[in-house]
Amino acid sequence: ETGVTQTPRHLVMGMTNKKSLKCEQHLGHNAMYWYKQSAKKPLELMFVYNFKEQTENNSVPSRFSPECPNSSHLFLHLHTLQPEDSALYLCASSQDVAGSYEQYFGPGTRLTVT
Amino acid sequence: GQNIDQPTEMTATEGAIVQINCTYQTSGFNGLFWYQQHAGEAPTFLSYNVLDGLEEKGRFSSFLSRSKGYSYLLLKELQMKDSASYLCAALDSNYQLIWGAGTKLIIKP
Repeated sequence: ETGVTQTPRHLVMGMTNKKSLKCEQHLGHNAMYWYKQSAKKPLELMFVYNFKEQTENNSVPSRFSPECPNSSHLFLHLHTLQPEDSALYLCASSQDVAGSYEQYFGPGTRLTVT
Repeated sequence: GQNIDQPTEMTATEGAIVQINCTYQTSGFNGLFWYQQHAGEAPTFLSYNVLDGLEEKGRFSSFLSRSKGYSYLLLKELQMKDSASYLCAALDSNYQLIWGAGTKLIIKP
């Protein structure tokens, strides 16, 4: 049990669908992150939130839309995705964004876009 | 640009020792992390180094040389459960993690 949960664990969606990924952390952390993990590639940081405020958006296409209603919950809204968006989407949290704090990861959502 | 290099895959024998190397080039440096990721699971924290030298934690040790931009993870007395990917990540001057692609470690009996 890592203290970070993600739902759903697996998702198959068509290119015209709209879906949302959910992440919840039970660690009392202030920072939350969305990453994309593709096979044999480095983790790609997508979005960073600190105290519910977005502090980083690494040139992510607008078909990915994050939402952070409070420090414990993070969503990633998906619409009109492309097949190349198929990947493992990982959520993580840490005590803060500044500093050498380890990140705690959720188990990920395996997304397949058909 | 910022970059992390680590071998794609390594194979070792149960009971042996293996060293996984990582070289980094970052804008500033605030430390280096190692994470372990079993197939289909979340990455989990193994170690953090910010000063030169070796940090030992049970069967796992991590080494850092800041002047050489180099780190390694040393795994001793390998067990089958150590089969996993090992991710190296450097913290740059903005405290952003720069990740390597990971090293898949295969342990054979």
